[in-house]
Amino acid sequence: QQQVRQSPQSLTVWEGETAILNCSYENSAFDYFPWYQQFPGEGPALLISILSVSNKKEDGRFTIFFNKREKKLSLHIADSQPGDSATYFCAASGGSNYKLTFGKGTLLTVTP
Amino acid sequence: EAAVTQSPRSKVAVTGGKVTLSCHQTNNHDYMYWYRQDTGHGLRLIHYSYVADSTEKGDIPDGYKASRPSQENFSLILELASLSQTAVYFCASSDWGGYAEQFFGPGTRLTVL
Repeated sequence: QQQVRQSPQSLTVWEGETAILNCSYENSAFDYFPWYQQFPGEGPALLISILSVSNKKEDGRFTIFFNKREKKLSLHIADSQPGDSATYFCAASGGSNYKLTFGKGTLLTVTP
Repeated sequence: EAAVTQSPRSKVAVTGGKVTLSCHQTNNHDYMYWYRQDTGHGLRLIHYSYVADSTEKGDIPDGYKASRPSQENFSLILELASLSQTAVYFCASSDWGGYAEQFFGPGTRLTVL
């Protein structure tokens, strides 16, 4: 049972473009949604997160858009740089289950 | 200086053998986690702990045991390693559950032959 789904599996954009990574979830009790960034050979690291009381969260070039009614969120990476090339995981937790549930990830490649 | 370290960084084990993966954190965090990562599956929680001398089952605990002898140390034990347990294993820590940021170690690549 995949409670957190990500699309696309992989995405290639040109340097300077906006990359859009999508995430959806099934459990209505989820109210916390972090995005983790992972470079090859390293562990994931928190990039940005949002609580369900908000519909937008910005941190520099990274923005989360959240739609509670549709149970969807997206990560927008503006002015993409080659250094942003990594795998991005959407995760969720909330309610009585405080454990993080991760999606399968989106592999982003930014071409110079 | 890395706050979550794992050892070994890679290991080759034989089927049926015992494997112990170790994790050490200097974050002074109460919560520690073990995840496995497989291509196409993302990260899946195996075991976690919120206090020393106590462990809890995660989403895929079968075939794994965990030990938390102190706040700083958390081990994952494969009593009888199997081919299906070939994966990259990550340890993480957080100062509380729920909305707290999890800090991950660099991972251990385990190959079972």
